[in-house]
Amino acid sequence: GAVVSQHPSRVICKSGTSVKIECRSLDFQATTMFWYRQFPKQSLMLMATSNEGSKATYEQGVEKDKFLINHASLTLSTLTVTSAHPEDSSFYICSAVSNQPQHFGDGTRLSIL
Amino acid sequence: QKEVEQNSGPLSVPEGAIASLNCTYSDRGSQSFFWYRQYSGKSPELIMSIYSNGDKEDGRFTAQLNKASQYVSLLIRDSQPSDSATYLCAVYTGANSKLTFGKGITLSVRP
Repeated sequence: GAVVSQHPSRVICKSGTSVKIECRSLDFQATTMFWYRQFPKQSLMLMATSNEGSKATYEQGVEKDKFLINHASLTLSTLTVTSAHPEDSSFYICSAVSNQPQHFGDGTRLSIL
Repeated sequence: QKEVEQNSGPLSVPEGAIASLNCTYSDRGSQSFFWYRQYSGKSPELIMSIYSNGDKEDGRFTAQLNKASQYVSLLIRDSQPSDSATYLCAVYTGANSKLTFGKGITLSVRP
């Protein structure tokens, strides 16, 4: 089945650090990738939709200058959390799709001290 | 606004029982329907997809879709403690490949 790899799985860093998360589709070319955030005991929240070679589309309330998305190829999208602060601590999950359904990466648990 | 609603949980069933999870959606143009399972601290995992009215069975799981009534359900037969997780209903309306997710329902299977 479709495999989506997300790296790193866990990040612990100091406030003010920028953190880059990679999302790769390993055995298919993803026309679209999505970035979600999930706080404890809450549902998935879509942050942005990323299409290869074009600017990401951000959901309302998500700061595009804070969460930089680059989608350089059909198999790779990156999310950079710039100048991360404790309130950015969360579980970040990417997903990739060619035809439906979406396949999720394993997620990145980000902890900002 | 397109919405996907799931029964408020949590749902608790004894081992071996049938767990019934329900989901309704508001957009009649919805095309595809999915159930994801999410274990605590993990990312969602696709367990069932259904595209046309009726039932679709895969092992102990059966998805049911009724487009006229705008609901989709998931039945888990012979529930096991390992089925304890949060189940997310997701609906695809054909716009931008986006899925609309329900809030999820937490299932607990008691040994």
